[in-house]
Amino acid sequence: SYVLTQPPSVSVAPGKTARITCGGNNIGSKRVHWYQQKPGQAPVLVIYYDSDRPSGIPERFSGSNSGNTATLTISRVEAGDEADYYCQVWDSSSDRWVFGGGTKLTVL
Amino acid sequence: EVQLVESGGGLVQPGGSLRLSCAASGFTFSSYWMSWVRQAPGKGLEWVANIKQDGSEKYYVDSVKGRFTISRDNAKNSLYLQMNSLRAEDTAVYYCARDVRFGDARGWYYYYGMDVWGQGTTVTVSS
Repeated sequence: SYVLTQPPSVSVAPGKTARITCGGNNIGSKRVHWYQQKPGQAPVLVIYYDSDRPSGIPERFSGSNSGNTATLTISRVEAGDEADYYCQVWDSSSDRWVFGGGTKLTVL
Repeated sequence: EVQLVESGGGLVQPGGSLRLSCAASGFTFSSYWMSWVRQAPGKGLEWVANIKQDGSEKYYVDSVKGRFTISRDNAKNSLYLQMNSLRAEDTAVYYCARDVRFGDARGWYYYYGMDVWGQGTTVTVSS
């Protein structure tokens, strides 16, 4: 089965840039989606189709995907960005959605 | 307003059954695939199952195959998850989500993620 690997935690100072990676075998051939989840809340889609932003998501959020790594980049990080972030792909070989294990973003 | 509202969670003994419901509003429910996603306490997200617009295709994570059944009633704008033979490891918050994908004339699908989520309903399996 397809596996997505994320670092458990990333820390960043306010105003700096955070990069959260999502590793998978030839993930560049798949379309990656990213979710933000704050404590006690449902997940929110922040990036879809590798790099597109849903309406209402700040331009500070961007995504890229190539080779074996997809990356969620958050520029000019704010305290309100502190949350868990999950990557996701559809694994067509098994017909199922796969989530990464999640990354806790801490704003110092 | 586009909205999903789950219900039906609760405390159930191991081996018991529970039926979750998800009421959709604010969009054309029958035009979308729908998914159930769960999150065990302190753990990450796990996709559970999804269903095509007309109910003709259903997919499940291996750990629930043969125990859970996803279904929908487009006339009632509702999604369901029938959970049987429940185990302690099924304890989680269960979310329904709108599963966005588009198909082309060749039968290829293009996947856009899950853009609308409910607030979740809690299922606790314990004696």
